[in-house]
Amino acid sequence: EVQLVESGGGLVQPGGSLRLSCTASGFIFSSYWMSWVRQAPGKGLEWVANIKQDVTEKYYVDSVKGRFTISRDNAKNSLYLQMNSLRAEDTAVYYCVREAGSYYYYMDVWGKGTTVTVSS
Amino acid sequence: DIQMTQSPSSLSASVGDRVTITCRASQSISSYLNWYQQKSAKAPKLLIYAASNLQRGVPLRFSGSGSGTHFTLTISRLQPEDFATYYCQQSYGTPLTFGAGTKVEI
Repeated sequence: EVQLVESGGGLVQPGGSLRLSCTASGFIFSSYWMSWVRQAPGKGLEWVANIKQDVTEKYYVDSVKGRFTISRDNAKNSLYLQMNSLRAEDTAVYYCVREAGSYYYYMDVWGKGTTVTVSS
Repeated sequence: DIQMTQSPSSLSASVGDRVTITCRASQSISSYLNWYQQKSAKAPKLLIYAASNLQRGVPLRFSGSGSGTHFTLTISRLQPEDFATYYCQQSYGTPLTFGAGTKVEI
């Protein structure tokens, strides 16, 4: 079964750090772009960052540039999101997402999400 | 950044109705447009990719059309399990962006 399982969420104070992890199973992890997508309480979906299969390309939404770092370990079938200098507006459910396709790309597998709350 | 504008933001419909949701891009994105369904804060589910391709396992009552800047998602005969929020998303370029969502209510 194709599956993504996130972990690492929790309550953190403003200015603090958190590292999210995502473990993939049921598919060849190293063959896919991977993304993090978040959803603030009661709000819509917001793409956060993605990373190419061989780690040569990484992209971020402007609001997290310089604060968040996406990474992956293909040997461990794992995706990470290091989040520093956290702000209240980073409070959200964070989804680990697989990007499929070869010309047209789409997000075909989603984890259940992990909740990050930034509050004092 | 490419802005995605969905309309309406919400709609009320009945079982059996035909429902159409519109998504407009702020610039041409060819067919780099995907549609997702999200129920009650669960993880989103891919419905349509590349504007008009039905994801495997998605019922045939769902269809997508459009190219360039104007796209539509149509549910031909609304079923009870279709009451949810629907999002469009462009994959033409980063940052990848979503529409604000359309909530389909009873």
